[in-house]
Amino acid sequence: SQQGEEDPQALSIQEGENATMNCSYKTSINNLQWYRQNSGRGLVHLILIRSNEREKHSGRLRVTLDTSKKSSSLLITASRAADTASYFCATDRIQGAQKLVFGQGTRLTINP
Amino acid sequence: EAGVAQSPRYKIIEKRQSVAFWCNPISGHATLYWYQQILGQGPKLLIQFQNNGVVDDSQLPKDRFSAERLKGVDSTLKIQPAKLEDSAVYLCASTRGLGGELFFGEGSRLTVL
Repeated sequence: SQQGEEDPQALSIQEGENATMNCSYKTSINNLQWYRQNSGRGLVHLILIRSNEREKHSGRLRVTLDTSKKSSSLLITASRAADTASYFCATDRIQGAQKLVFGQGTRLTINP
Repeated sequence: EAGVAQSPRYKIIEKRQSVAFWCNPISGHATLYWYQQILGQGPKLLIQFQNNGVVDDSQLPKDRFSAERLKGVDSTLKIQPAKLEDSAVYLCASTRGLGGELFFGEGSRLTVL
């Protein structure tokens, strides 16, 4: 079963604009991760945020986590054409087996 | 360091035939995962190994799918017999321990006709 749900399912913006993707989940988590997948390729890890953290930065990426709302957001600033990809959130639940469960993803298109 | 290796990259078979996918994780990574990704969807966990033991296989269709991890290193995922709905990309990932960042291979794309 899917734990995370990304919103929107698809997003198209102009190069240079900021892109925001959201992720909601259902159960308590140890951590939440964001991954990128270029077309026809494997997933690449972007950032991990632990349940006791509220915000994390990595280059042009900013991730927030609100455990009270069971939601996270990924912000990509000053987008580039190379950012065109699908973005997935994944959660590592506290209870049960420590497995990473992925959402359905957001397809991001950056128009030059 | 070398990444996660998977083969074959592409496979086309007819329904009811069998197929096997191979994965070599990053050296020293104890945990290995097989995910199924249907076009337009997120990856779905099929099976998770810790060394050569199975941690979770709750979503593995055991009537047709099987997986093993030889000596806690390489892993093979087999489908027999294949169905049309098995058409997907099969992704292998590894990590040092439980939790943390996953390192993915490029995937094996299966088309069942």
